[in-house]
Amino acid sequence: GENVEQHPSTLSVQEGDSAVIKCTYSDSASNYFPWYKQELGKRPQLIIDIRSNVGEKKDQRIAVTLNKTAKHFSLHITETQPEDSAVYFCAASKNAGGTSYGKLTFGQGTILTVHP
Amino acid sequence: SAVISQKPSRDICQRGTSLTIQCQVDSQVTMMFWYRQQPGQSLTLIATANQGSEATYESGFVIDKFPISRPNLTFSTLTVSNMSPEDSSIYLCSVPGGNEQFFGPGTRLTVL
Repeated sequence: GENVEQHPSTLSVQEGDSAVIKCTYSDSASNYFPWYKQELGKRPQLIIDIRSNVGEKKDQRIAVTLNKTAKHFSLHITETQPEDSAVYFCAASKNAGGTSYGKLTFGQGTILTVHP
Repeated sequence: SAVISQKPSRDICQRGTSLTIQCQVDSQVTMMFWYRQQPGQSLTLIATANQGSEATYESGFVIDKFPISRPNLTFSTLTVSNMSPEDSSIYLCSVPGGNEQFFGPGTRLTVL
């Protein structure tokens, strides 16, 4: 089955700096790669995702890059703010029919702390 | 987007007992997923629940310990049976919606 590795496990940055979190996956059939942000005591919330037919996607301060050949993808947060502090999870999945994706395999998570 | 509710939101249980967690979705979905998040850990898939068929369990999870029901396209239950302190976790249901997956608010279970 799929295996997703995520690094680093903790990341501490100063406000305004950039943060990068990296993930690798093992199943070459995976074609959907979401990133979730989980604040303390809350459910995971999707912040950005990328599909295997594109190499990069950007949404304001957040971007994700995908290298299918190397089977790794990364989350980039620019101009970090204290409210970006949370646990971030990468995940991988593959199409389950139509536009739906199947089960998610999660990375281990990264605790991001942004210091004011 | 899908609106998902779970009951109970939290519970404290004695070892050896069982707890049934409910997941209700505001729209019909074919697949529902049950995840476990142990304290300070990532999310691990327990099983996939499809309406009208037996749930599919991931390695390390068995039906006797985590029986699942899926009576219709908007509802599912997960039972945690014969609980031990190691079952203390957050249990989340999840459904696909549009091009993403949505999570319920979770059920925080503590086993004493």
